[in-house]
Order: sequence, then C-alpha cells, then structure tokens
Amino acid sequence: DVKVTQSSRYLVKRTGEKVFLECVQDMDHENMFWYRQDPGLGLRLIYFSYDVKMKEKGDIPEGYSVSREKKERFSLILESASTNQTSMYLCASRLSTGKLFFGSGTQLSVL
Amino acid sequence: GQQLNQSPQSMFIQEGEDVSMNCTSSSIFNTWLWYKQDPGEGPVLLIALYKAGELTSNGRLTAQFGITRKDSFLNISASIPSDVGIYFCAGQLGGGADGLTFGKGTHLIIQP
Repeated sequence: DVKVTQSSRYLVKRTGEKVFLECVQDMDHENMFWYRQDPGLGLRLIYFSYDVKMKEKGDIPEGYSVSREKKERFSLILESASTNQTSMYLCASRLSTGKLFFGSGTQLSVL
Repeated sequence: GQQLNQSPQSMFIQEGEDVSMNCTSSSIFNTWLWYKQDPGEGPVLLIALYKAGELTSNGRLTAQFGITRKDSFLNISASIPSDVGIYFCAGQLGGGADGLTFGKGTHLIIQP
C-alpha cells in the first residue's frame, strides 16, 4: 500500500513564526500536492509539484512556499504564519496519472 | 476552473439503510474517484473509475461513472456505524497535476 506520511498530526504556532510542514511518500510518485481543508470550503490546492525541484502554484498559494529537493519529500513553508492559516493541511501524491493518495493531515493552529 | 456539485451536503439515516450520493459537473472527466474521510484523518480512496459507464463495487460500496462523463454516484448498502464520515468525489480530466477537482463532500450521519 502507498504510504504518505505527514510529520506532525497537530501543531500550534504563534503569529509571525516560520512553519515547516513535511510530507514523505514511499512509492516513487512523481506528483505531490499540498491542500488545505476548511469547513464549508472543501479542499483547496495550495501548491503542487510535477517532479523534483519543480513546483506550480495552485488556487491559493499566497502566504505559502514549497520545496521539493528529493522525489519522496515535499515541504510546505509558511514564511510568517498568520491566524487565517489555521487549518487542516493535507499532503497527497500520485503517479503522473491515476489515484491520488493522502496523508493523515496536519491540524495547524496559529495563535 | 471546473466546478463539481456534490449532493446531498449531509445525510441523516438509520443504521441498515442504503445511502446514495452523487456528483455532477459542467465539464467532462476521464477519471472519477471517491474518498471517505474520518474526523481528524486524511481522505482514504474507496473506489476509482476510469471508463464512462463503468460500475465498480468495493464491498458494500458501489460507484458508477456516468455515460456522459459529467457525473458519478456512490451507493452504500446496509449502512453500519463505521460508515459515518465525509465522502468526497473527485474528477480528473487529464494527467496534469492541476487537473483534479473535488466536490465539497457529503457528511453521512447515522442515527441510532
């Protein structure tokens, strides 16, 4: 089975802090994604990556950046966390086509 | 971008009842995916559909890829308490990483 691992289940950070969310997949998938999930808004795509060192903005990239130095790892960075970035963050991966597999999510609270 | 309408938004049913939910789109898709999400967890893939008209089962779950390629439904037969959760559909047009569109989910609640 595909395993997508997010490093933290829960995080509490302060406004203005730099936050790193890490995601690792073990199936050699080319594509990796970061979504945020908020009640009533569904899943919204922040950034995605076709392959190593490649990244593309999704629908809501403002306030975020990403890093993909190795194929198995895709990091989401909040340069200066704000309270409106409190959310559930979901990482996902897949081959270039086909099924998308999600991690367990990171619930981030920014105080 | 593309829009996916998923309905109903929520369902309150009795244990043992059958459940039906669907997604419709104004545009065609080449793949439909159905996910279930438990509270505090990430979505888990239930069923993937790749061809128009395809009907696929996974235990008590059955999903179909609509003939027009603009819709899909998911049925759950004889619901049990562990079926509680949020069910999402997702449509995929091409191989591009940005070609995936999600519905907003159907929240299934089972009343004792």
